[in-house]
Amino acid sequence: DNQMTQSPSTLSATVGDRVTITCRASHTISGRLAWYQQKPGKAPKLLIYGASSLQSGVPSRFSGSGSGTEFTLTISSLQPDDFATYYCQQYDSYSPGLTFGGGTKVEIK
Amino acid sequence: EGQLVESGGGLVQPGRSLRLSCAASGFTFDDYAMHWVRQAPGKGLEWVSGMSWNGGSIDYADSVRGRFTISRDNAKNSLYLQMNSLRPEDSALYYCAKDETDTSDFWYFDLWGRGTLVTVSS
Repeated sequence: DNQMTQSPSTLSATVGDRVTITCRASHTISGRLAWYQQKPGKAPKLLIYGASSLQSGVPSRFSGSGSGTEFTLTISSLQPDDFATYYCQQYDSYSPGLTFGGGTKVEIK
Repeated sequence: EGQLVESGGGLVQPGRSLRLSCAASGFTFDDYAMHWVRQAPGKGLEWVSGMSWNGGSIDYADSVRGRFTISRDNAKNSLYLQMNSLRPEDSALYYCAKDETDTSDFWYFDLWGRGTLVTVSS
């Protein structure tokens, strides 16, 4: 299995902050990485796919980057609606199964 | 805009079986791979199983392989998960999720249902 490790597990920030979340894969995944946002009691929502492509309708303050085994999700200016838990997910065709990172909770500082 | 509605969850004793269903609407169901993803209370997301549009590709997480069976009925726009030999650690909210791809690969999930809760306890 391709293990996905997210850091930090919890992040305290204020509105307007620039926020960066890291996701590391145990094996290279050639950019096949997605990011999701989940709010309490709700289903996850796709934000980014292909490591850096913004899903339709997602605000441009969200961006993704990275390749190989290290990837980042950046929120350029944190908004009140962005306090949530974020997950990465790999979908590399050479890695069996699909795996999620453990999640990063972005909370109010 | 598509919609996925899960059903079939409930309280079940360890060792027993349960069948989950997912009804899809608002998109061409038989164009896409479909998946089940679960989330134990207060925990992260875990992919459970996926099936390509025609059933030609099927895969399972190691934690459920041999106990769970995924299936679909494209004529009914429905996805299923037969869960046998249930364990307490299978207790979770089970989401039905649509894959973005129409290939035999599995990619990522661009549409999710609200989930159905499965509790395995004596």
